Amino acid sequence: DTEVTQTPKHLVMGMTNKKSLKCEQHMGHRAMYWYKQKAKKPPELMFVYSYEKLSINESVPSRFSPECPNSSLLNLHLHALQPEDSALYLCASSQAGLGGNEQFFGPGTRLTVL
Amino acid sequence: GESVGLHLPTLSVQEGDNSIINCAYSNSASDYFIWYKQESGKGPQFIIDIRSNMDKRQGQRVTVLLNKTVKHLSLQIAATQPGDSAVYFCASGRGSNYKLTFGKGTLLTVNP
Repeated sequence: DTEVTQTPKHLVMGMTNKKSLKCEQHMGHRAMYWYKQKAKKPPELMFVYSYEKLSINESVPSRFSPECPNSSLLNLHLHALQPEDSALYLCASSQAGLGGNEQFFGPGTRLTVL
Repeated sequence: GESVGLHLPTLSVQEGDNSIINCAYSNSASDYFIWYKQESGKGPQFIIDIRSNMDKRQGQRVTVLLNKTVKHLSLQIAATQPGDSAVYFCASGRGSNYKLTFGKGTLLTVNP
């Protein structure tokens, strides 16, 4: 299995809602990533987990809360988002450590905040 | 919010022609480089990568060239097909640092 899967594909939420994005991979990768991508822009790194521990947080607002329950799963919990948070949220995974640079991306969740 | 009217660099080619997409990087310590293809509504898809100990690497219909002296990377696509139409991103990384730095992207349009 060489796929990263993400659910849901689309999500519409109000500013007071709480929702979660889910990501799963079965490639044995021990590094997992969340990116945010606005239209016509490159992906922007948000968080990196390495061996289920948070290793990079790119100064992301606390209304985004990542979680890595096990080596195959990555969640992004959303609360009190703003309309400007509307974007495509991409999950990726890679091998950990040296040589683990190639990141495999999922199809993304298209998030709209009303 | 989004920047309305901000355009990606674009490249328009005829079907069957060769395409060359260029990318500059800024960190001379980068030692890993990768090209992704992103079709509309999809996540980035790996095309080819190269490490700094090489200056050329070939895949199926694609070639990546690395010029470390001028910090320049290029992706060559042979016999471009309509299915190659997408946005292409280069990205660079360093050592065991997990962070990839992405370029702005180039929109490739292939005309039949």
